[in-house]
Amino acid sequence: DAGVIQSPRHEVTEMGQEVTLRCKLISGHNSLFWYRQTMMRGLELLIYFNNNVPIDDSGMPEDRFSAKMPNASFSTLKIQPSEPRDSAVYFCASSPRLAGAVYTGELFFGEGSRLTVL
Amino acid sequence: AQSVSQHNHHVILSEAASLELGCNYSYGGTVNLFWYVQYPGQHLQLLLKYFSGDPLVKGIKGFEAEFIKSKFSFNLRKPSVQWSDTAEYFCAVSNFNKFYFGSGTKLNVKP
Repeated sequence: DAGVIQSPRHEVTEMGQEVTLRCKLISGHNSLFWYRQTMMRGLELLIYFNNNVPIDDSGMPEDRFSAKMPNASFSTLKIQPSEPRDSAVYFCASSPRLAGAVYTGELFFGEGSRLTVL
Repeated sequence: AQSVSQHNHHVILSEAASLELGCNYSYGGTVNLFWYVQYPGQHLQLLLKYFSGDPLVKGIKGFEAEFIKSKFSFNLRKPSVQWSDTAEYFCAVSNFNKFYFGSGTKLNVKP
């Protein structure tokens, strides 16, 4: 089984440019989480979806950040315009959830997208 | 809001030393508990998890953790560490749909 697939693995861009990070969930999983990891703040939850619906986006830092889940297996995280302080590793994680049940699953992480904004 | 505290930010041990990493959480209701490991340059991987039952949980690579409900703790242990255990370790707590991660503990094992 393929794991969570993220692209690009590395992105270097200039301040003001638009950045799009992509994530493909594990087949059969229906919860998706976007995390950001930095030395200063550690691992931060940005947003998570359940069955393509955003459940909690309170961790999204500001309006420059947006996330979508156009179908059950794919998600994008967009930063527009990007700033140097957005430099971080962005992880996507997916998890299964039983219909009608309390969520108990573990998270399966992708390899991450390392973003550098100059 | 839920919070997860990992008290040790950086631990340095020699090979064969015993390890205990502390984790405390703030939520008083039913929770699920996890330890994740992140090897240098890699993504987070599950080390072990606790949902219910025996509070002493055994994971991969000789790690174990004990859930003590009265202390809101889920400490990670390993009796004898190896150089290959050098990594960052994250405690995590989930209730319903949300995961809360601790700030992580960097473990450096000297050969």
